[in-house]
Amino acid sequence: SQQGEEDPQALSIQEGENATMNCSYKTSINNLQWYRQNSGRGLVHLILIRSNEREKHSGRLRVTLDTSKKSSSLLITASRAADTASYFCATAYSGAGSYQLTFGKGTKLSVIP
Amino acid sequence: EPEVTQTPSHQVTQMGQEVILRCVPISNHLYFYWYRQILGQKVEFLVSFYNNEISEKSEIFDDQFSVERPDGSNFTLKIRSTKLEDSAMYFCASSEAVYSLETQYFGPGTRLLVL
Repeated sequence: SQQGEEDPQALSIQEGENATMNCSYKTSINNLQWYRQNSGRGLVHLILIRSNEREKHSGRLRVTLDTSKKSSSLLITASRAADTASYFCATAYSGAGSYQLTFGKGTKLSVIP
Repeated sequence: EPEVTQTPSHQVTQMGQEVILRCVPISNHLYFYWYRQILGQKVEFLVSFYNNEISEKSEIFDDQFSVERPDGSNFTLKIRSTKLEDSAMYFCASSEAVYSLETQYFGPGTRLLVL
């Protein structure tokens, strides 16, 4: 089965530093999405990158996608304490009739003020 | 900004009882989903729903589970006879279109505890 697997599992940085999280998956995808989850709360959509895209930006977020390596990275620049959360990648399979998102285990980011 | 809402936010039930989790998807969305997240684990897909029928379901979504869109706004997940292992956060999501699999917007979740 396709799986998004993030690394590292946990990341602790100082406010102002950049945070990079990686995601790997196994099968062909239509798109890859990154979500944020504050402790015990809902999933907030951050960014979607399609399989024919290589890089996408949204504010302080930069996502790259390398379909040949089946991997993606999420970069948060100039981190803030409010960025403290778990970050998940989720892949959408490219097979016909399949709409489910497959999530990874997530990276727990702690930004220290 | 439109958002997916879910009620209740928390539910505690006894094993064997039926529960209904409710969701109001974003109004112009056509595709609806349920996911669950057992504490400390991955978010897992349960079921997708379109045009008043299930379009896809996972192995988790067995005969104890059912979904319904009883009216033009609500989307429900019913668990007929809850088990201890059903304790989890349940997320509803909706998306505008399936073509190119657009963003799925998630609700805040219902935390279900089965005792």
